[in-house]
Amino acid sequence: GAVVSQHPSWVICKSGTSVKIECRSLDFQATTMFWYRQFPKQSLMLMATSNEGSKATYEQGVEKDKFLINHASLTLSTLTVTSAHPEDSSFYICSASSHEQYFGPGTRLTVT
Amino acid sequence: GENVEQHPSTLSVQEGDSAVIKCTYSDSASNYFPWYKQELGKRPQLIIDIRSNVGEKKDQRIAVTLNKTAKHFSLHITETQPEDSAVYFCAATTNQAGTALIFGKGTTLSVSS
Repeated sequence: GAVVSQHPSWVICKSGTSVKIECRSLDFQATTMFWYRQFPKQSLMLMATSNEGSKATYEQGVEKDKFLINHASLTLSTLTVTSAHPEDSSFYICSASSHEQYFGPGTRLTVT
Repeated sequence: GENVEQHPSTLSVQEGDSAVIKCTYSDSASNYFPWYKQELGKRPQLIIDIRSNVGEKKDQRIAVTLNKTAKHFSLHITETQPEDSAVYFCAATTNQAGTALIFGKGTTLSVSS
């Protein structure tokens, strides 16, 4: 089956710093990747849709200037959380779309 | 946009019993309905899915039914085992290129032995 990786798997950063999360499709090309955020005991909430070579489409309520998404190639999308604050602490999961969606293992972000 | 409602939020059953989780969706254009199992701190795992041209699909102890007219679909787990304990999410999408999955709020299933 298709494999999607994320890096890092977990990260702790100080308030005010920026953190970059990478999402890679390892054995297929993904025109579209999605970024989800999951708070404890909650569902996966779509943050944005990332299309290779174009600007990401953000869901209502998600600040595009705070969550920078770059989809520079058909196998890599990055999410940068800028000026992170404790309320940004969450589990961030990407998925890459081929015939179906394949999820990355997630990144646990803790902002102190 | 699509909205998916999922019930119940928690479900406790005895080992060997059946468990049923129900979801409704709002967008009549949605045509793909996957179910995911998620263990704590891990990615969601696809356990079964159904497309709108099918009314029911079964895979061993797991089955999914779809009622397009009523816009609801259900997950059925028979002969539950303790290892079935997890959070289950339903989702819906039009499954067109560039269309994301919209998830229900999840059901925490606890199977006691």
